[in-house]
Amino acid sequence: NAGVTQTPKFRILKIGQSMTLQCAQDMNHNYMYWYRQDPGMGLKLIYYSVGAGITDKGEVPNGYNVSRSTTEDFPLRLELAAPSQTSVYFCASSYLGVETQYFGPGTRLLVL
Amino acid sequence: AQSVSQHNHHVILSEAASLELGCNYSYGGTVNLFWYVQYPGQHLQLLLKYFSGDPLVKGIKGFEAEFIKSKFSFNLRKPSVQWSDTAEYFCAIRGGSQGNLIFGKGTKLSVKP
Repeated sequence: NAGVTQTPKFRILKIGQSMTLQCAQDMNHNYMYWYRQDPGMGLKLIYYSVGAGITDKGEVPNGYNVSRSTTEDFPLRLELAAPSQTSVYFCASSYLGVETQYFGPGTRLLVL
Repeated sequence: AQSVSQHNHHVILSEAASLELGCNYSYGGTVNLFWYVQYPGQHLQLLLKYFSGDPLVKGIKGFEAEFIKSKFSFNLRKPSVQWSDTAEYFCAIRGGSQGNLIFGKGTKLSVKP
């Protein structure tokens, strides 16, 4: 049981490039979340999903897209990378919305 | 709107000192409360949580927190800290049905050996 896994661990992007941050969980959780963590700012919710095929915006969705075609996977897409997207991105999952969230190890992204 | 305030940005303690980290929240309804810890270079781990019942909750590694509804507070405590407790601590609340967590900005704890 690997829990929540994220790839890559670290990535450097040039302005305007695109990339997909991968997130997978093997706990059969329905709910999945993407957060970004900026120094001194805590974590802010980007997008979340309550099940396959269902996604919704969080607090800071601009510049990102998500999809949820399976229960296990919840990729986060950056279409046109900007320096403001330099951050650490955490994926999390929970069985139901009222249950504890389990976090992945994070992806550190640097946009130059 | 929901919000979480952690008043201490950085706390420095010597080993064996007692710890109390403040957390206040703003939300008008029933709320679930969490403390997460992030050790250097690692992901967030759940320390403890409060959903209902006894307002004094015990978590892992000797941590505990007390929910005081009248003060909208959920302070984290530990009687005697260790060097290995050096980490960043995040208070979070959940007040909606979708499970979204609202995080505070975090408190860095540095424990001197």
